[in-house]
Amino acid sequence: DIVMTQTPLFSSVTLGQPASISCRSSQSLVHSGGDTHLSWLQQRPGLRPRLLIYNISDRFSGVPDRFSGSGAGTDSTLKISRVEAEDVGVYYCMQTTQFSRVTFGQGTKLEIK
Amino acid sequence: EVQLVESGGAVVQPGGSLRVSCSASGFTFKDYTMHWVRQPPRKGLEWVSLINWDGSRTYYADSVKGRFTISRDNSKNSLYLQMNSLTVEDTALYYCAKNLGPGVSPYYFGCWGQGTLVTVSS
Repeated sequence: DIVMTQTPLFSSVTLGQPASISCRSSQSLVHSGGDTHLSWLQQRPGLRPRLLIYNISDRFSGVPDRFSGSGAGTDSTLKISRVEAEDVGVYYCMQTTQFSRVTFGQGTKLEIK
Repeated sequence: EVQLVESGGAVVQPGGSLRVSCSASGFTFKDYTMHWVRQPPRKGLEWVSLINWDGSRTYYADSVKGRFTISRDNSKNSLYLQMNSLTVEDTALYYCAKNLGPGVSPYYFGCWGQGTLVTVSS
């Protein structure tokens, strides 16, 4: 299975400041078709997960533009340009390149300092 | 509006069976791959299974292979997960998720239900 490793696992950020979460996969996530099937999910406290970013850098419908994804191959990053109170929660990266064995990162907990 | 509503969660004894369901609305269900993901209490997300749009292809995590069966009834806009030989490690909130795009689109989990809780305990 492809192992997804997130860093950091915990992040405390001041309101209005940027935040960044990294995700490294144990093998390349570039699909045979050229896309990179890496996505980011947000799970606010007590709520269901929500898709933020797919195809490593495409923002899902309705997601604020302060969220952005970047990366290539085995390394990807989720950035929040200016953290707001509603961004508190746990963020997961996940790969679906190996779609018969989908895997998630451990999750990164974001709190407001 | 896309809606996914899971049901059927319960407390089950180890070794028991349970079927959870996901009722879909707001989109053309028969066109979309569907997924099951679970989340043990206070832990992260674990992919369980997926089924393609017409049910001809199914995939499972190693942890549930041979015990769980995913299925769908496109005439009822419903997704199912039959769980047999349950163990305490299967205790989790079970989410169904709709694929982002229809047909043979890449697998991204575009919309999630609220989850149904399965507790395996004696």
